[in-house]
Amino acid sequence: DAGVIQSPRHEVTEMGQEVTLRCKPISGHNSLFWYRQTMMRGLELLIYFNNNVPIDDSGMPEDRFSAKMPNASFSTLKIQPSEPRDSAVYFCASSLVPRSPKGYTFGSGTRLTVV
Amino acid sequence: GQQLNQSPQSMFIQEGEDVSMNCTSSSIFNTWLWYKQEPGEGPVLLIALYKAGELTSNGRLTAQFGITRKDSFLNISASIPSDVGIYFCAGQLNNDMRFGAGTRLTVKP
Repeated sequence: DAGVIQSPRHEVTEMGQEVTLRCKPISGHNSLFWYRQTMMRGLELLIYFNNNVPIDDSGMPEDRFSAKMPNASFSTLKIQPSEPRDSAVYFCASSLVPRSPKGYTFGSGTRLTVV
Repeated sequence: GQQLNQSPQSMFIQEGEDVSMNCTSSSIFNTWLWYKQEPGEGPVLLIALYKAGELTSNGRLTAQFGITRKDSFLNISASIPSDVGIYFCAGQLNNDMRFGAGTRLTVKP
């Protein structure tokens, strides 16, 4: 299994630009999670999907952030317009079910820098 | 934000030493998990604990689920240089998983 695949690995963009992060979960996993990691706040859950449906988006910081999961094998996290404070590492994770006893499998992350 | 208190924040140890880190919470959890994150990668699951009082080992790693269900610890015995990384605890209740702030481990050869 190739694991959770995220792209790009690194993204540098100018303030105000639109940024799209992509994730391919593990085949057969029904739950997908987007996390943001910063030194100050650690790992924060932004949103999670179950069977392609957004279940909890209470962690999405503001309207500039949106996430979609058009099918079981693909999800995007979009920031429009981006701001310097959005700079962080964004992780996608997947699991068989939301409460999987085996935890989540994380991707390698996308390091976003907004200048 | 974080709801788990993980300590210590960082550790600098000599190769061969044992390591102990823990997590506490004001809330109970049904599952405790320990992850390790290496530079440039996502967290990887090390150990999962499902019952209060459970003690589980994975090689040189040992973790326990506290009796009160509000805490857990992770021990690493005879540390080696490749143990370096950030170790995260995570508590899970229903569909909610919370992560600790992490313990950054440095092992000096």
